[in-house]
Amino acid sequence: NAGVTQTPKFQVLKTGQSMTLQCAQDMNHEYMSWYRQDPGMGLRLIHYSVGAGITDQGEVPNGYNVSRSTTEDFPLRLLSAAPSQTSVYFCASSYSTGTGTNEQYFGPGTRLTVT
Amino acid sequence: AQKITQTQPGMFVQEKEAVTLDCTYDTSDPSYGLFWYKQPSSGEMIFLIYQGSYDQQNATEGRYSLNFQKARKSANLVISASQLGDSAMYFCAMRGSFSNDYKLSFGAGTTVTVRA
Repeated sequence: NAGVTQTPKFQVLKTGQSMTLQCAQDMNHEYMSWYRQDPGMGLRLIHYSVGAGITDQGEVPNGYNVSRSTTEDFPLRLLSAAPSQTSVYFCASSYSTGTGTNEQYFGPGTRLTVT
Repeated sequence: AQKITQTQPGMFVQEKEAVTLDCTYDTSDPSYGLFWYKQPSSGEMIFLIYQGSYDQQNATEGRYSLNFQKARKSANLVISASQLGDSAMYFCAMRGSFSNDYKLSFGAGTTVTVRA
């Protein structure tokens, strides 16, 4: 299994540009999520999905869109990039059964710089 | 709302010694789960250990153990016999009850540096 994969690993955007961060998992996990990591603030949840066709907002959703057309893929779209979106972005997935550890498996991250 | 607090921005520990990383949490959920993740300088997030709020015993995984004090709302990570490879950022995280969509709330993290 490849686990959770993210592309690209690095990206530089100009203010106002749009782009899509790709995330895919091959573990048949129902739950997928996007986090951003900023210095001194830990990881903050942007958007999440509990299954294909179902998405919802997390703690910091403004400026981002998501969709979940398949179980495997959960892309994150930046609509009009701003310097405040410079961050490291992590995609994660897990099972959503009601018992057990159900730890979230994280992708390797995408380092995004907006100039 | 859930809140995780890690009050130690950075710690130094001598190789082969034990280190305790503090984590306190606040939640109104009757059932929850607590996680610790390790983030080495390479950037990936590595799951270390999990404690369920109704688990009777403190969780252990190899050199990692969790000192869970429910009444004090603390879930401290203990790393025994520190190794140079333990140098990393460590995050405490919490997930609410199973009806809460499995969202994780993270603390700000603690950087551990192991000295030879």
